[in-house]
Amino acid sequence: ETGVTQSPTHLIKTRGQQVTLRCSSQSGHNTVSWYQQALGQGPQFIFQYYREEENGRGNFPPRFSGLQFPNYSSELNVNALELDDSALYLCASSFNVGGGLGYTFGSGTRLTVV
Amino acid sequence: TQLLEQSPQFLSIQEGENLTVYCNSSSVFSSLQWYRQEPGEGPVLLVTVVTGGEVKKLKRLTFQFGDARKDSSLHITAAQPGDTGLYLCASNAGGTSYGKLTFGQGTILTVHP
Repeated sequence: ETGVTQSPTHLIKTRGQQVTLRCSSQSGHNTVSWYQQALGQGPQFIFQYYREEENGRGNFPPRFSGLQFPNYSSELNVNALELDDSALYLCASSFNVGGGLGYTFGSGTRLTVV
Repeated sequence: TQLLEQSPQFLSIQEGENLTVYCNSSSVFSSLQWYRQEPGEGPVLLVTVVTGGEVKKLKRLTFQFGDARKDSSLHITAAQPGDTGLYLCASNAGGTSYGKLTFGQGTILTVHP
């Protein structure tokens, strides 16, 4: 079985620009969550998608938005980038909403905003 | 919002030593997961504990879940350089935020040869 794949692995953007990050879920997983991880910190929950609908959101502004597609792949979009958005963005999939058996994380996209 | 406190934040030890990492909360955990993350990678699930008092072993790693389900520990016996990494505890928030994982700030472990 394939794991969670994220693209791109690294990205440099200018403040004010928009960015789209992509994630392919692990086979058989129907739920995807996105996390932001600052250097030296634990990941912070951005939002979760289940059956193509947002199913919970963390403390992030509306300029952070997402999509989930019928094949369970997902996108994270961030508008009007700020310097503080520089972080590792992680996608995690699970085979149910609660993730009671754990989440499978991708290797992340390292976003640098300059 | 459930907060998870991990300690210590940093741990630097020699190969062969034992260590324990702690994860505490003021709230009851519905379940608790431990992850290990290496530089440039995403967290990898080590174990999920659900029942108060539960003990799980994974080779040289022993995970305990407190009887009241408000604390957990990870004990590594005879640490090896390959154990180096960021260790994270995480819990589901429950309720309307059922799918949200809340992470502790992590423990950075360095095992020197």
